Amino acid sequence: ETGVTQTPRHLVMGMTNKKSLKCEQHLGHNAMYWYKQSAKKPLELMFVYNFKEQTENNSVPSRFSPECPNSSHLFLHLHTLQPEDSALYLCASSPTGTGYNEQFFGPGTRLTVL
Amino acid sequence: SQKIEQNSEALNIQEGKTATLTCNYTNYSPAYLQWYRQDPGRGPVFLLLIRENEKEKRKERLKVTFDTTLKQSLFHITASQPADSATYLCAQSQNTGTASKLTFGTGTRLQVTL
Repeated sequence: ETGVTQTPRHLVMGMTNKKSLKCEQHLGHNAMYWYKQSAKKPLELMFVYNFKEQTENNSVPSRFSPECPNSSHLFLHLHTLQPEDSALYLCASSPTGTGYNEQFFGPGTRLTVL
Repeated sequence: SQKIEQNSEALNIQEGKTATLTCNYTNYSPAYLQWYRQDPGRGPVFLLLIRENEKEKRKERLKVTFDTTLKQSLFHITASQPADSATYLCAQSQNTGTASKLTFGTGTRLQVTL
């Protein structure tokens, strides 16, 4: 395992539901990331947190709301999603700092919006 | 804006042969290029990183090259095995000063047959 866990692994929700995705890393890293992976598309960076502070919001709709209470935990709160939001949501972490740091990914949450 | 392109969606090769995957970038030369492996239903796993001023990097049966003239990186797997079958992702990494930011290509799905 990579040291990054995500729950739940699968989630089916209606467009009016509210749900949350959880990510936890046991690697002592200070940067955490949310990505969206849709079929036939590159991984899309959604949010970046560094030392609990959000440093990047890649024009993500407000129906996705991230939360980072500490450097080990990251949440993605979901509300009033659309069917096109169905995708694999991946969390990652890395040591903070320079671009030569690899990122460690969790297994992802497969989200289906009905 | 910068794009990372992996033009081959899929590559089929015979066991024992060398697999060569291509990654092209469109504009400026990235400071770093990273290669990841992704198996179905799992998150990407880091394989290799190559810097702009490096021509080649090796790790066991893996080799990565970086040609700034051609704006291209090649990823080679020698003596390929069926266990190498996976999707391989190329990503440029940028140093934002706070965290490592990756821009991914769409990936190439490698199938190694007996």
